[in-house]
Amino acid sequence: AQRVTQPEKLLSVFKGAPVELKCNYSYSGSPELFWYVQYSRQRLQLLLRHISRESIKGFTADLNKGETSFHLKKPFAQEEDSAMYYCAARGAGGSYIPTFGRGTSLIVHP
Amino acid sequence: SQTIHQWPATLVQPVGSPLSLECTVEGTSNPNLYWYRQAAGRGLQLLFYSVGIGQISSEVPQNLSASRPQDRQFILSSKKLLLSDSGFYLCAWNQDRGLGELFFGEGSRLTVL
Repeated sequence: AQRVTQPEKLLSVFKGAPVELKCNYSYSGSPELFWYVQYSRQRLQLLLRHISRESIKGFTADLNKGETSFHLKKPFAQEEDSAMYYCAARGAGGSYIPTFGRGTSLIVHP
Repeated sequence: SQTIHQWPATLVQPVGSPLSLECTVEGTSNPNLYWYRQAAGRGLQLLFYSVGIGQISSEVPQNLSASRPQDRQFILSSKKLLLSDSGFYLCAWNQDRGLGELFFGEGSRLTVL
């Protein structure tokens, strides 16, 4: 079954500390992976996607096919990074319906 | 540019009353449309999706239904609300082609009393 797992419901760090939000997936073939973010009182929006290999707001995510992981990382957390983060996957080859993880709430303390 | 509108933003309804949440997408044609429910600790639960007018697929059995009367309109309904229907509902869209990104509405907070 297609599944996206985010093992941590809550991640609490201090400003300036490194952050890693974990995501593991179980998908046949080569899925497309995404991270979405929801800041307080804002709509859920895309943060980054693995095929773009981009860094957004200092966040990066590397696809590890061997470990079937797509962890989100930032070397130095900022208070404005506090938000809800969702990992999502979509099957390649025409399966357009994304599957979301349960989400991780990141709290960055001053 | 494409936009997605969802309303009402907040709704308080008594148990047993009907429900209608509406979602409209502008600036694109033939989008895939989705209704999700967002619950703390449970993430995003896909309720319904639609690939075209009149085509609705349900992911979970429940007290809710969905309809797509027009290409860019998606409606979430219930004939009789239950307490357990309370929650935060999100409408979203994407295209089969492209990079697969989902675009979300601002959400509707439903409280059933």
